[in-house]
Amino acid sequence: DVKVTQSSRYLVKRTGEKVFLECVQDMDHENMFWYRQDPGLGLRLIYFSYDVKMKEKGDIPEGYSVSREKKERFSLILESASTNQTSMYLCASRDTSSSYEQYFGPGTRLTVT
Amino acid sequence: RKEVEQDPGPFNVPEGATVAFNCTYSNSASQSFFWYRQDCRKEPKLLMSVYSSGNEDGRFTAQLNRASQYISLLIRDSKLSDSATYLCVVNKAGTALIFGKGTTLSVSS
Repeated sequence: DVKVTQSSRYLVKRTGEKVFLECVQDMDHENMFWYRQDPGLGLRLIYFSYDVKMKEKGDIPEGYSVSREKKERFSLILESASTNQTSMYLCASRDTSSSYEQYFGPGTRLTVT
Repeated sequence: RKEVEQDPGPFNVPEGATVAFNCTYSNSASQSFFWYRQDCRKEPKLLMSVYSSGNEDGRFTAQLNRASQYISLLIRDSKLSDSATYLCVVNKAGTALIFGKGTTLSVSS
């Protein structure tokens, strides 16, 4: 079974703090993704990575950065957290060898106060 | 026009009912199509891929109409456990999956 894990299920941070969200997958997938999900807005792509050290902006990259130093790990960084970044953050990895199915982690619910 | 559009619902149906969800996509170059299911406070999971010829998995039938850029999901004999949000998803090779906002289904006894 593919497993995608995220470092925290719930996180509370203060405005202005630097926040790191970690994601690890164990299936040697090349592609990894960060989304945020908000009521009424659905899943929105923040950043994705096709391979180690590669990154591409998604639809809403402002206020975020990412790091992919190892194939299994994709980190999302909020340089200076703001209250409008309170959201559910979902990491995913993708099998590009067959069905293009994306496997999601359990999500991190981040609250910025 | 949004890339993937779905009726958000909610669809409230009794157990045993047949319910259909529709989805339209704007990019004619889209190549892969999926339905994902998301339970409350959980991550999305793949329900089924959608093939040009249409495909069935038990009580679930998915259909694709490329000419109309339209995807559908039919659920027969609805169960309480089918209550969830159903996400329509499209993909063009080399890009990230594009998710619709989802259609909420509530099945009641």
